[in-house]
Formats: sequence, C-alpha cells, structure tokens
Amino acid sequence: DAGITQSPRHKVTETGTPVTLRCHQTENHRYMYWYRQDPGHGLRLIHYSYGVKDTDKGEVSDGYSVSRSKTEDFLLTLESATSSQTSVYFCAIPGQGNFAGELFFGEGSRLTVL
Amino acid sequence: AQSVTQPDIHITVSEGASLELRCNYSYGATPYLFWYVQSPGQGLQLLLKYFSGDTLVQGIKGFEAEFKRSQSSFNLRKPSVHWSDAAEYFCAVGDSGAGSYQLTFGKGTKLSVIP
Repeated sequence: DAGITQSPRHKVTETGTPVTLRCHQTENHRYMYWYRQDPGHGLRLIHYSYGVKDTDKGEVSDGYSVSRSKTEDFLLTLESATSSQTSVYFCAIPGQGNFAGELFFGEGSRLTVL
Repeated sequence: AQSVTQPDIHITVSEGASLELRCNYSYGATPYLFWYVQSPGQGLQLLLKYFSGDTLVQGIKGFEAEFKRSQSSFNLRKPSVHWSDAAEYFCAVGDSGAGSYQLTFGKGTKLSVIP
C-alpha cells in the first residue's frame, strides 16, 4: 500500500473556526490531491499540488486554501469553517511504476462543522 | 472538461446473481478509466483500470469492465455477486495528456446484496 496518512481522522468544530487537515506521504511523489466526498456528489477535487509551493485549484476550491512546504506534507485549511464544509476529506497521491496513472487514497478525515 | 455519469444511484441484487454497473464518460481523447470500490467507513480501493489495449480488463475480486469507445462507456460486471460486494462503486476518468494524474469521479452507485 502507498504510504499516505491523514490527520486528524475525525474532527468536530464550530462555525467560524479555522481548521487544518494534514496529509503525509512517504512516496516522495510530486503530486498530491485533496478531494471531498459528499452523498450524491461522489468525490470532488478541492486543490492539488504538483511540487513544493506549487498548487492549483480544483472544482470546489472556494473556502479552502492549501500549502506545501515539504514534499511529504500537503495541508488543507478552512480559514473559517461553515456547515457546508461538513464532509469527508480524502488525500491522494499517484501510483508509481506498475501503478502509474492511478490514485491511492488515504483513509479520510471526517469533519463536522456545527 | 471531462465528466462521468453513473446513471444508477442504487442497485439491489440477490447473492449469486450477475451484476452490471453502468458508467458513461465524456472526454476528448482516449481516456484513462477506473473503477473504485468503497466499503462503509473505508477509503477507496482500486478495482481495475483501463489505459489502452485490450478493451476487456480484469480486476480484483472477480470484477471485469469493458471499454466501448463508440458508446463512451466503461461498464463494470461480475458474473456472481457475493454478500461482501455490498459497497459503493465509483467510476472515474483520468486525463491521459496533462500529466497531472487528476481523476474526475462519478457520483457513485450503491450496491445492496440480498442474501
């Protein structure tokens, strides 16, 4: 399995508070992704990174920011959480070698905004 | 922009029956196509993928899928469903040209299995 871990795995917070989710990889891959999963919507791309300090927006980037200061860590920040950001967040990295082209996902971070 | 449609939100089958989950995609060139499965409370696991070559691809857990360019489809099949196959299934399309490895997912099909 690809070395990818997310933290925290579960978080409950209040509207208006900042939240940061962390994704850590041990595969030294250039690309990292943040998706959110909601019932009836599947997975939607929030932001992705193609190298240290290189990031770009995805389909649903409003209200989110990201940072990548090291190859192994990709942080997703909700500056002021809203109830609409209650979701399960998945980090992903591409496979390599025989697994090139596919994405490997972390276990997910369940965020509840009250 | 690429897109994926999974027409069936929820499918129920009896254990031992055959299964086909539908997936249609929109993409300008030859796509990379994937099927992922997600058990309740779990992450996503890749079942199979199509990049090129043989249009019938075999995956894990006895699943297969067939790429039909003329129909823009990549349907997932299994000849005999087991109760452990109950899960949500996601079809995804990848950009074969950009090198960014981005995947666009369908909204998913939830499979229920009657014992």
